[in-house]
Amino acid sequence: KQEVTQIPAALSVPEGENLVLNCSFTDSAIYNLQWFRQDPGKGLTSLLLIQSSQREQTSGRLNASLDKSSGRSTLYIAASQPGDSATYLCAVIPSNTGNQFYFGTGTSLTVIP
Amino acid sequence: ETGVTQSPTHLIKTRGQQVTLRCSSQSGHNTVSWYQQALGQGPQFIFQYYREEENGRGNFPPRFSGLQFPNYSSELNVNALELDDSALYLCASSLGGGVNTEAFFGQGTRLTVV
Repeated sequence: KQEVTQIPAALSVPEGENLVLNCSFTDSAIYNLQWFRQDPGKGLTSLLLIQSSQREQTSGRLNASLDKSSGRSTLYIAASQPGDSATYLCAVIPSNTGNQFYFGTGTSLTVIP
Repeated sequence: ETGVTQSPTHLIKTRGQQVTLRCSSQSGHNTVSWYQQALGQGPQFIFQYYREEENGRGNFPPRFSGLQFPNYSSELNVNALELDDSALYLCASSLGGGVNTEAFFGQGTRLTVV
């Protein structure tokens, strides 16, 4: 069964700092990996989708990389802002199911002004 | 704004009751998936509907059931509610079964069972 782990569980940084969030998964046979943002008590906002054939995706200050063979992905946030404070979740769709996300438990990010 | 809407946003039910949650998918999307998110946890897959047929189910008992309508909106029904069913229920919309396509989530329904 696919297991997704996110480290660290919580992170607090001063405004302006660059930071990296980590995601690892146990089975490298995946269709894609998606990063989400979740504000307290709210739904998920899609940040980046990386398909299995891709190595990275970028959107604005966000860059996500995927190393399928080692079962790892990173989300890089440049020049962090207080508005980036949220929980960041990564999720994979395994090739053998093809229809369900397996989520990590998230990294809770606080950006201090 | 993702276009995925869920109703209601909050709900309080008594143990043993039944509840129906609703989801309208994003325009053009034919696939709806439901997830349960307990406090402090990542979402857990309940089931998926693709073109009105169930297309996969997670490790949830039969009292969790669903439906997808011709307009691709969907319902999640939970019978015989238990205290542990208290959670945020999320609906995700995608195209073509969700493989290799981006999924968009609604704002969720917070269910409290007392």
